[in-house]
Amino acid sequence: DQQVKQNSPSLSVQEGRISILNCDYTNSMFDYFLWYKKYPAEGPTFLISISSIKDKNEDGRFTVFLNKSAKHLSLHIVPSQPGDSAVYFCAARDYNTDKLIFGTGTRLQVFP
Amino acid sequence: GVTQSPTHLIKTRGQQVTLRCSSQSGHNTVSWYQQALGQGPQFIFQYYREEENGRGNFPPRFSGLQFPNDSSELNVNALELDDSALYLCASSLGTGNTEAFFGQGTRLTVV
Repeated sequence: DQQVKQNSPSLSVQEGRISILNCDYTNSMFDYFLWYKKYPAEGPTFLISISSIKDKNEDGRFTVFLNKSAKHLSLHIVPSQPGDSAVYFCAARDYNTDKLIFGTGTRLQVFP
Repeated sequence: GVTQSPTHLIKTRGQQVTLRCSSQSGHNTVSWYQQALGQGPQFIFQYYREEENGRGNFPPRFSGLQFPNDSSELNVNALELDDSALYLCASSLGTGNTEAFFGQGTRLTVV
């Protein structure tokens, strides 16, 4: 039972354009959502998070949007840069257990 | 930062393995994850102030320890082929996991 889903395994975007990575979840007990970026041979790096009481959080080129009614969140990267090429994981925190549940990741490739 | 050792390891089915993690200084919580190929990290368990504080769907042969000096261990007994994965530890201040910092992982191969 996949509680956090990233339905697009890969995404290819031109440098300077917007990258939009999507994530859907099923558990209403998730109260916090995080995005991690992972380069090969490295551990995931925390990128940005959002509390379930908010619908938007922005940090520089990265913005996360949360639509609770649709149980959907997205990460926007504007403008995309070649250094953003990595695997992006969406994660959700279960309010009851504090566990982080991860999606399967989306591989973003930003080309010149 | 968070460091893990070793970076790569090959073990034979049935053996036991110990993976190590050094948490970020001052962090009192460490969580361990298993990441199989093509999957996201799966929560194994969490330790808070040297006590287990939550466990995922992993059998008892997966066990852990957390020490007062910001270090921790993941032990796996009776290794199975399916245990082959990247094992990640993450440290945080408090159990909330709102900003957990990950190590680079240990790639375990069971043959």
